[in-house]
Amino acid sequence: NAGVTQTPKFRILKIGQSMTLQCTQDMNHNYMYWYRQDPGMGLKLIYYSVGAGITDKGEVPNGYNVSRSTTEDFPLRLELAAPSQTSVYFCASRFSPSGSLINNEQYFGPGTRLTVT
Amino acid sequence: DAKTTQPNSMESNEEEPVHLPCNHSTISGTDYIHWYRQLPSQGPEYVIHGLTSNVNNRMASLAIAEDRKSSTLILHRATLRDAAVYYCILRDNDYKLSFGAGTTVTVRA
Repeated sequence: NAGVTQTPKFRILKIGQSMTLQCTQDMNHNYMYWYRQDPGMGLKLIYYSVGAGITDKGEVPNGYNVSRSTTEDFPLRLELAAPSQTSVYFCASRFSPSGSLINNEQYFGPGTRLTVT
Repeated sequence: DAKTTQPNSMESNEEEPVHLPCNHSTISGTDYIHWYRQLPSQGPEYVIHGLTSNVNNRMASLAIAEDRKSSTLILHRATLRDAAVYYCILRDNDYKLSFGAGTTVTVRA
């Protein structure tokens, strides 16, 4: 298994541009997450999804959008890039059987480093 | 949301044990204690988790206080590859992990 893969690894955007960060997992996990990490800080949850067609906001959703049309893919869209969105973005996934509260681990991708200037 | 408190940093010598404390005095009865670590320029990776009993795996041990208000992650023999930021996290609900600033572990050769 490749696990959780993210593209691109690095990107520089100009203010006002748009882009989509790609995330794919091949573990058939139902839960997927997007986090951002600012320098020297912990991760903050942007959006998450508990299954195809279902998404919900996390702590810092403003300026972002997501969709989940398949189990494998969970793209993150930035519509009007702002300098405040300069950060490292991590995608993660986890398997949780329906109706279960099993506390298993999350698997993280390698991250996308985004700079907005 | 239940919160955790960790020291900002800790240092250790190579091949010596490392004990990383975590306080979580407001933990609820159903909160699991999770530990993740983040190596430089990488995404976080799972280390261990537990509810009430002490837990061991190939990476580390987790010692949980009887009242569950604190826990300690134990790396039995630190190597240079263990230098990372270690996060102690209480699972708020079934959906997400809430990351704090963590403890930066430095391992001296």
